[in-house]
Amino acid sequence: AQKITQTQPGMFVQEKEAVTLDCTYDTSDQSYGLFWYKQPSSGEMIFLIYQGSYDEQNATEGRYSLNFQKARKSTNLVISASQLGDSAMYFCAMRGARTNTGNQFYFGTGTSLTVIP
Amino acid sequence: EAGVTQSPTHLIKTRGQQATLRCSPISGHTSVYWYQQALGLGLQFLLWYDEGEERNRGNFPPRFSGRQFPNYSSELNVNALELEDSALYLCASSKPGGDTQYFGPGTRLTVL
Repeated sequence: AQKITQTQPGMFVQEKEAVTLDCTYDTSDQSYGLFWYKQPSSGEMIFLIYQGSYDEQNATEGRYSLNFQKARKSTNLVISASQLGDSAMYFCAMRGARTNTGNQFYFGTGTSLTVIP
Repeated sequence: EAGVTQSPTHLIKTRGQQATLRCSPISGHTSVYWYQQALGLGLQFLLWYDEGEERNRGNFPPRFSGRQFPNYSSELNVNALELEDSALYLCASSKPGGDTQYFGPGTRLTVL
């Protein structure tokens, strides 16, 4: 069974500081994808960054980067130089191996990030 | 490039009524996914449509159904509404064989 765990219900960070949001996953699939989404109070889920299970380099997208540790089954999101607009819910998600009924995403329960001026 | 669009933005219904939610994917995307997000909770997978066919459904009763049209847009129908169906319903789309799902702004359904 696929499972995503986010153990930090809420996090606070000072503006311009870096913050790490934790995510661990459980899967028996050899091939899988890991995603992070941001959900502001408006409700829309905004795609941030993707890491494939076979990618050897940690993914980076602007101020977002992943600390992907495959053996530990963790994919932590690092946001550098936090901005007030980063205040939102952050969800970690996993896509398991593709099958005819696959490409299903499994989401964690989310972490609420608040950036303090 | 236009993103995923959903309508209506808000929908208010009473118990026992039916609700219809609509989703238009990004141009070129053939897969549409529906999720339910109850207040304060994570996303629960509802349905996946690809090339007009239902490919997978989550652990929801049959009164949650939908379809995908030839232009790849989709609608979600919820029959015999219950109070606990009140939630944000998110639609996402992806390219053929693509990984990343791109989400729309959601429809907030309130059942009174």
